[in-house]
Amino acid sequence: DTGVSQNPRHKITKRGQNVTFRCDPISEHNRLYWYRQTLGQGPEFLTYFQNEAQLEKSRLLSDRFSAERPKGSFSTLEIQRTEQGDSAMYLCASSPSGTVNEQFFGPGTRLTVL
Amino acid sequence: EDQVTQSPEALRLQEGESSSLNCSYTVSGLRGLFWYRQDPGKGPEFLFTLYSAGEEKEKERLKATLTKKESFLHITAPKPEDSATYLCAATTSGTYKYIFGTGTRLKVLA
Repeated sequence: DTGVSQNPRHKITKRGQNVTFRCDPISEHNRLYWYRQTLGQGPEFLTYFQNEAQLEKSRLLSDRFSAERPKGSFSTLEIQRTEQGDSAMYLCASSPSGTVNEQFFGPGTRLTVL
Repeated sequence: EDQVTQSPEALRLQEGESSSLNCSYTVSGLRGLFWYRQDPGKGPEFLFTLYSAGEEKEKERLKATLTKKESFLHITAPKPEDSATYLCAATTSGTYKYIFGTGTRLKVLA
């Protein structure tokens, strides 16, 4: 399968714990995005990488959230000191370089904070 | 502030009953308007990209159109397997982010 993959698919954690999610984009795509989606809402932009450089972050992104993309391949999203409001689906998407291109989404990681 | 609004929130159609979904956008410098389909528990699946007013794209029973203020997704003679949430998104000049609407939940009854 050459699509975008995300792990884990589901994560249940207790409030205050740290969690980390991984995204493996389509191999030739140099653009990578993280989104958060809650029930009944559309995906909400979190951050954007072009290769290994993080070029844009949402102003809504708390300092408890951090993302990396070492070597411009896979990416990780870490949430520190989780809160119940962090419960959501976390989606990763990738796209090829160019002017304006469609994004290809992974299946998402569903986070539940108890 | 850039905004994308979709209507209706939910739509129930009988099989074969054609209809249209609306996506209104208020953005500065539209670079692209995207339509996605999302099934429950899955990531969005790309359908169409539209770049300029007057442009139309078609795929099977779906046709997307774009004006300077809104986009429509026309569904002709839908089937139950077309049931899903349809999302539209816009990307604008000066940012890399894509702004999504809240989606239209479509249910097609056999």
